[in-house]
Amino acid sequence: AQRVTQPEKLLSVFKGAPVELKCNYSYSGSPELFWYVQYSRQRLQLLLRHISRESIKGFTADLNKGETSFHLKKPFAQEEDSAMYYCALEAGGYQKVTFGTGTKLQVIP
Amino acid sequence: DTGVSQDPRHKITKRGQNVTFRCDPISEHNRLYWYRQTLGQGPEFLTYFQNEAQLEKSRLLSDRFSAERPKGSFSTLEIQRTEQGDSAMYLCASTEPGGYSYNEQFFGPGTRLTVL
Repeated sequence: AQRVTQPEKLLSVFKGAPVELKCNYSYSGSPELFWYVQYSRQRLQLLLRHISRESIKGFTADLNKGETSFHLKKPFAQEEDSAMYYCALEAGGYQKVTFGTGTKLQVIP
Repeated sequence: DTGVSQDPRHKITKRGQNVTFRCDPISEHNRLYWYRQTLGQGPEFLTYFQNEAQLEKSRLLSDRFSAERPKGSFSTLEIQRTEQGDSAMYLCASTEPGGYSYNEQFFGPGTRLTVL
């Protein structure tokens, strides 16, 4: 069975500081990894996926199969980045997504 | 608003009562998912439809839970004989038709259930 672990429930950083939200996964095959974000009073939405290798809103995430990690990074945090971030995994091609418990990012002005 | 909609947004019920939630996906999306999210947790997969066919159900979905998507459009999730442990946010998501690769899931606003 697959599992996603986000060790931090809350991460507070100052505006302009670097951000790293940690995510580790367990799955025996080749998963697809994602980051979803939920801003205050908004719906859960996809932020980025590892296969796209893209930067969204300045965030990047690299899949490290050796360490089974998919950490989310941003070099300079902005106040509008404050939100709940969920790491997620899809395995087996069935569109069944396993979410982590989430990390609340708080950017302090 | 052309996004996924859910009704009601909030439901308060007494233990033992039955409740039904509705989800209307984005119109051209043929896949529909139900998730449950409790406080401090991420969404947990409950079940998945492709058109009207229910293709997978989680072990979380006890016999008291049933989901339908009769015409391949909207879906309903019914909980019978509710228990206090059923209190949670119930999320619906939909995706457009696709092949093997993952398609972005678009989430609704959720229905918050409180069982007294």
